[in-house]
Amino acid sequence: QVQLQESGPGLVKPSETLSLTCTVSGYSINSGYYWGWIRQPPGKGLEWIGNIYHSGSTYYNPSLQSRVTISVDTSKNQFSLKLSSVTAADTAVFYCARGYASGGYPFDYWGQGTLVTVSS
Amino acid sequence: QSALTQPPSASGSPGQSVTISCTGTSSDVGGYNYVSWYQQHPGKAPKLMIYDVSKRPSGIPDRFSGSKSGNTASLTVSGLQAEDEADYYCSSYAGSNPVVFGGGTKLTVL
Repeated sequence: QVQLQESGPGLVKPSETLSLTCTVSGYSINSGYYWGWIRQPPGKGLEWIGNIYHSGSTYYNPSLQSRVTISVDTSKNQFSLKLSSVTAADTAVFYCARGYASGGYPFDYWGQGTLVTVSS
Repeated sequence: QSALTQPPSASGSPGQSVTISCTGTSSDVGGYNYVSWYQQHPGKAPKLMIYDVSKRPSGIPDRFSGSKSGNTASLTVSGLQAEDEADYYCSSYAGSNPVVFGGGTKLTVL
């Protein structure tokens, strides 16, 4: 059974870099699919952040592209998110997910989500 | 402001059918057959219900169906059950911005 688990600090200071890791179990990242990050501010809707393929190819939301880096470590079956220069507006629940190789990357498996608060 | 427009709320009685709309433009919903729908219960991760406009992932009951006409996609839930009460989000491929979401619709089962 495919499982994803986000990990990382729950509190980040303004202007610093948010770093999260997603550990995948039950499926090898090398076997295919796209691996993505989606966030949801408290009480609000979903926003796609970006995806990565096992080859390392990345695809980012244009509105966040200048601040986002997604990387993959196939040896650990993990992929990671870095979001720089954060502000209070970046406070959200961050989800990692597996996406189909189809337009819009339909995400069929999701982590439980982790709340990251940006505050001094 | 979300890229795709959904009604904030929808409702229906048990056993009835309800349809949720998702309106975009010719650059997203209308331009590609790549619309997905997600169900999200409070405090839980979203769950994929429909992809590629009308396909259901394994395990999703056929009470859930998707369609598209022009720039508007729709999710229909037939035979409403109490467990269907949740937030529903549409998403679409949009070319240069590969994934755009709607603002979400809260479905209430009366």
